[in-house]
Order: sequence, then structure tokens, then C-alpha cells
Amino acid sequence: AQKITQTQPGMFVQEKEAVTLDCTYDTSDQSYGLFWYKQPSSGEMIFLIYQGSYDEQNATEGRYSLNFQKARKSANLVISASQLGDSAMYFCAMREVLLTGRRALTFGSGTRLQVQP
Amino acid sequence: NAGVTQTPKFRILKIGQSMTLQCTQDMNHNYMYWYRQDPGMGLKLIYYSVGAGITDKGEVPNGYNVSRSTTEDFPLRLELAAPSQTSVYFCASSYFASGGTPDTQYFGPGTRLTVL
Repeated sequence: AQKITQTQPGMFVQEKEAVTLDCTYDTSDQSYGLFWYKQPSSGEMIFLIYQGSYDEQNATEGRYSLNFQKARKSANLVISASQLGDSAMYFCAMREVLLTGRRALTFGSGTRLQVQP
Repeated sequence: NAGVTQTPKFRILKIGQSMTLQCTQDMNHNYMYWYRQDPGMGLKLIYYSVGAGITDKGEVPNGYNVSRSTTEDFPLRLELAAPSQTSVYFCASSYFASGGTPDTQYFGPGTRLTVL
């Protein structure tokens, strides 16, 4: 089974509107972390926001917020007031801690967001 | 701070050649990682390191080797390059301490490798 599922290969949004990018995850761990990264056309991976599994409040970072619904195993990214510069690929990722001690990320397949003027 | 730096940015190899991708971080992070990203996909873990002298395999280690002799450097070695290793390679680092802040991974700019 996929550990991280992003069901929207592509999304369009009008400038200044809000958009939600979906992410569901699968884990049996109690302690895990959820991350969102942005990858613009230039190719670098930019960290946006983090949510810990024990965090009771939804994480927010400026125009980014993470809608964390633990029982539904979803961690959707909400971008408010979209800007043209938000056009990029967005990746959801989960950090589990394996028995080996490995703390690496498992990535979803990404959602390509295009912001239209 | 430069963060995570990678060299080279681009490289074309012939089948069977070898090369080393360099990665350096100046954030005093204890964990370092190598990922590859195939076209239209998310990243997959190749190798990781929890500190100098300690490395372990990720999901897709075949055809690669790593070493970590210092905290700062984590080179990735490709032996006998194959077309299936055509990809973009990202190095990342993070700081983990028990009970500490989130071990967010910060990525280098990537190396685009083509094997012909």
C-alpha cells in the first residue's frame, strides 16, 4: 500500500484565491511527522510546513496551513491568497522512525499547482 | 550559511563510467541523506547517515555507495553507471536530538545526471 497518497496530479487556482492540496498517509506508528515541500520549475526542494503526530493544533506558516485530521490520516496543505509564484510541484512527505532507527522521508507523487492571473 | 551544497549541477556519463556526487552541509547537522527523483515522481531514499562513520541503505541502494568521514561531507559514488541511474539526485541534511525540535530535512539544489 502507498504510504503517502496525493490524488491530485494537477490543480488550477485563480490568483488571490485559496487552494487545498490533498494528502493522505498510512502508518501504524504513533509518532510520525508530516511535511510539505515545494519544488518550483528550477528544481530545488523548499520546506514549507511541518506537523507532528502529537501536535494538537494545525500548523501554520504565513500563507500556508496544514489541515491535520489524524483519525482520517489526512494532512492537506492549504495555501491562502495564491500568488503567481506559488506555481510549482508540491510534495507531501511522512517521516517515520523504523526499527533500524532510520528517520528518512517517504514522499508522495506530488501535485502540480498552476496559479492563473 | 550556505546550507547544503552539491556538485556538479549537471553531468553526462557513458554506460560503465563511474563518478562521485559531492554533498556538503555547514549547519552541523548529524543526519544526511541521498535521494533520487525520477521524472514525474517523488523522491526515493538511496542511502542515509546518522553521523560520521555510520551509514545505512535506503529503498534503492543498488549501484551506489556512500561514505561519511566527517560531519559535513556525504559523497555518493556511482560505480558502473547504467541508463536506469539517469535521474536527479538530491542530498539533504537534518538535525535530530531526542525531545528536540522537528528534524526537518533541508535539501541541496540537486544534480541532474544522464547516463547514455
